[in-house]
Amino acid sequence: SQTIHQWPATLVQPVGSPLSLECTVEGTSNPNLYWYRQAAGRGLQLLFYSVGIGQISSEVPQNLSASRPQDRQFILSSKKLLLSDSGFYLCAWGFEPMNTGELFFGEGSRLTVL
Amino acid sequence: GNSVTQMEGPVTLSEEAFLTINCTYTATGYPSLFWYVQYPGEGLQLLLKATKADDKGSNKGFEATYRKETTSFHLEKGSVQVSDSAVYFCALISNTGNQFYFGTGTSLTVIP
Repeated sequence: SQTIHQWPATLVQPVGSPLSLECTVEGTSNPNLYWYRQAAGRGLQLLFYSVGIGQISSEVPQNLSASRPQDRQFILSSKKLLLSDSGFYLCAWGFEPMNTGELFFGEGSRLTVL
Repeated sequence: GNSVTQMEGPVTLSEEAFLTINCTYTATGYPSLFWYVQYPGEGLQLLLKATKADDKGSNKGFEATYRKETTSFHLEKGSVQVSDSAVYFCALISNTGNQFYFGTGTSLTVIP
């Protein structure tokens, strides 16, 4: 069966420090991968998605970047965190064709920027 | 562009009451529509889906009908239970892309 893992689960970082959140999927090949941010009162905001290694699409211009160095690995990064980057980050994966399928979510990573 | 608009919450209902959570969408092409649910302390999971106009998705007593003419996908349940307390998210994906778009979520609390 397929599983998805995110880490770290909780992170407290000072403003201006770097960030690296990692997500890996097991038990499947060539998944579509997604990063979302869940902020209070704003629902789930799509940040990045990837349909293959090295292929990253950005939805919202901001202080974050994403990379997919391996088929089942998706990394969310920042060089310098802002207070506004605080939130709950969710990784998800899905199969093509996406419009008939569903997304499977990880456990989430809670980031607090102080 | 693509977007989903959900009714504001939170919603509080008594057990066995009728539930409606409104969802409308804007999309290019012909989207597929979804309702996801997030129970307390758990991750998001798919509740139901509909992939074309007039389709009805159903699961666990919940239903939603894909209405192209009103661009809506309202979630309904005839008799809610305490165990239905959760946050519900409406979502869409366009048939021309790979992006899933979610609404802001509606928190439901069912009291005995």
